[in-house]
Amino acid sequence: KNEVEQSPQNLTAQEGEFITINCSYSVGISALHWLQQHPGGGIVSLFMLSSGKKKHGRLIATINIQEKHSSLHITASHPRDSAVYICAVGVVGAQKLVFGQGTRLTINP
Amino acid sequence: ETGVTQTPRHLVMGMTNKKSLKCEQHLGHNAMYWYKQSAKKPLELMFVYNFKEQTENNSVPSRFSPECPNSSHLFLHLHTLQPEDSALYLCASSYRTGGNTGELFFGEGSRLTVL
Repeated sequence: KNEVEQSPQNLTAQEGEFITINCSYSVGISALHWLQQHPGGGIVSLFMLSSGKKKHGRLIATINIQEKHSSLHITASHPRDSAVYICAVGVVGAQKLVFGQGTRLTINP
Repeated sequence: ETGVTQTPRHLVMGMTNKKSLKCEQHLGHNAMYWYKQSAKKPLELMFVYNFKEQTENNSVPSRFSPECPNSSHLFLHLHTLQPEDSALYLCASSYRTGGNTGELFFGEGSRLTVL
């Protein structure tokens, strides 16, 4: 079992829908990262959080440390949101990130 | 534009060739990383450099040889690679404090094909 599990692996939705991507982890963490990777390959950091909730535009990330779970929400989804979303955790004591397998999101017009 | 530049973006090489990937960051970060991304697999950490010193080598075969001449530049020297080494190689940088990696800034990646 991977230390970081994402669900779903693939998600297809219609433009305008509310999107939720989940991430569960099994290790002690210093921070959790949400990343976005577009088809060209480049990766962009969306959020880094260690507690509570962060919001940036239509994106919201939440984390529950006790339950070892985080969610990434996208409101009013748009085709340009189509990408792979990756959850990664900074492992306490290891000074490295462990990555989930990614969630491929497709938003149809 | 993320502030991290990788070259080349695409590379095709034979198994006997020697080539290098280059990464450059001017974000004032103190750590640089090489990651490998193979099809349908999570990102794999290869190497970490803090202030030019290698602090992590994630059991990477010796046919991959990193070099970090200063805190802004990172190279990955490639020699006698195998076809299974074909992948997207991503460079990243961050400002590490204590035990925290900090927010990662990635380059666009170098897509490597080994024939």
